Amino acid sequence: DSGVTQTPKHLITATGQRVTLRCSPRSGDLSVYWYQQSLDQGLQFLIQYYNGEERAKGNILERFSAQQFPDLHSELNLSSLELGDSALYFCASSPLGTAAYEQYFGPGTRLTVT
Amino acid sequence: KNEVEQSPQNLTAQEGEFITINCSYSVGISALHWLQQHPGGGIVSLFMLSSGKKKHGRLIATINIQEKHSSLHITASHPRDSAVYICAVKGGAQKLVFGQGTRLTINP
Repeated sequence: DSGVTQTPKHLITATGQRVTLRCSPRSGDLSVYWYQQSLDQGLQFLIQYYNGEERAKGNILERFSAQQFPDLHSELNLSSLELGDSALYFCASSPLGTAAYEQYFGPGTRLTVT
Repeated sequence: KNEVEQSPQNLTAQEGEFITINCSYSVGISALHWLQQHPGGGIVSLFMLSSGKKKHGRLIATINIQEKHSSLHITASHPRDSAVYICAVKGGAQKLVFGQGTRLTINP
């Protein structure tokens, strides 16, 4: 158990809908990273938050947004969902703001868009 | 060409064999991560290294910064080592770039 929690574990929704994925980092970790893993693309970095502020942005679509709250949990919002958004979404946390430190991964949320 | 290339893509071996998975990258990096993804999907961080060699139990990771190459070795492999092993590098930006993964199957 990494200490990182993600909810929900599974999510099935229809095209055009909006969903929110939630991540709680390990106690004391200030950074949260979001990743998408699809069958054809592998793992891809989406976005990082550090202590409530956006720190780095990767291949995140404009239909997706995220935020980190004062209690350090983070939410990833996915809107106008398309079939191609079906994937595993992981969050990871680390103590500091640099990706040069070990990251602790949550169990993931499996999103299926039908 | 991907920034991070792993080889082999798939590897099947017998229990007890010595396993080597390779990772080559094309950018300057400050850190390299080795991750293990279990069949159920969960990801575990195995190593983070920026130079030299690290060992944890039967796992050894090495990196050669000049050659832009890292290897993950597993000694005395066991069926429970069956998983996908993923290499990821941190370049100049605050993000990880991932290899495509190596699917390892260890048969009893």
